[in-house]
Amino acid sequence: DAGITQSPRYKITETGRQVTLMCHQTWSHSYMFWYRQDLGHGLRLIYYSAAADITDKGEVPDGYVVSRSKTENFPLTLESATRSQTSVYFCASSDQVGGNLGYTFGSGTRLTVV
Amino acid sequence: RKEVEQDPGPFNVPEGATVAFNCTYSNSASQSFFWYRQDCRKEPKLLMSVYSSGNEDGRFTAQLNRASQYISLLIRDSKLSDSATYLCVAYNAGNNRKLIWGLGTSLAVNP
Repeated sequence: DAGITQSPRYKITETGRQVTLMCHQTWSHSYMFWYRQDLGHGLRLIYYSAAADITDKGEVPDGYVVSRSKTENFPLTLESATRSQTSVYFCASSDQVGGNLGYTFGSGTRLTVV
Repeated sequence: RKEVEQDPGPFNVPEGATVAFNCTYSNSASQSFFWYRQDCRKEPKLLMSVYSSGNEDGRFTAQLNRASQYISLLIRDSKLSDSATYLCVAYNAGNNRKLIWGLGTSLAVNP
């Protein structure tokens, strides 16, 4: 089915562990984004990608790594998870940045770091 | 001061009511604006873009006032299914954060 899918939906991990959140889209959208959403902060951009092999930092990139070897995949890795990274993570894609088509979001990954 | 500010609410309204939300933005260079809807614990979904001339989509009307730097969303004939959080978003191509998100306004439509 066409769309944008994130996996896993839920994840509990221990402090210090490496965790990778997956994001896959079937539209061949150029742009992909990773956000985290926390109470009191709203949606904050972690990293984004304008095309395969092109990535750039957003507002809160520290502690995260991304790659985009293929247009359809944009995994987010927490190199050494910390409790402050407990959050809901949303991946999004779009043909444009800021255009009228908006962004399409995945269903999110709820990550708990204990 | 946040770049995009919204009244968090909650707005509690009866079915059939008309309700309006305002959102202010601080960066006059912002070029595009959007309203997204987010249901509890789910992903945001684009509700509508906001144009200078205003735009309407069924029961929803969005307006942009650049002079006063605010955008508004009007919902007429509220339905129970309109209960959600409404996120105001501004876009500025010169900002590496790309989209600037408000914290949202919570709406509860009651029977």
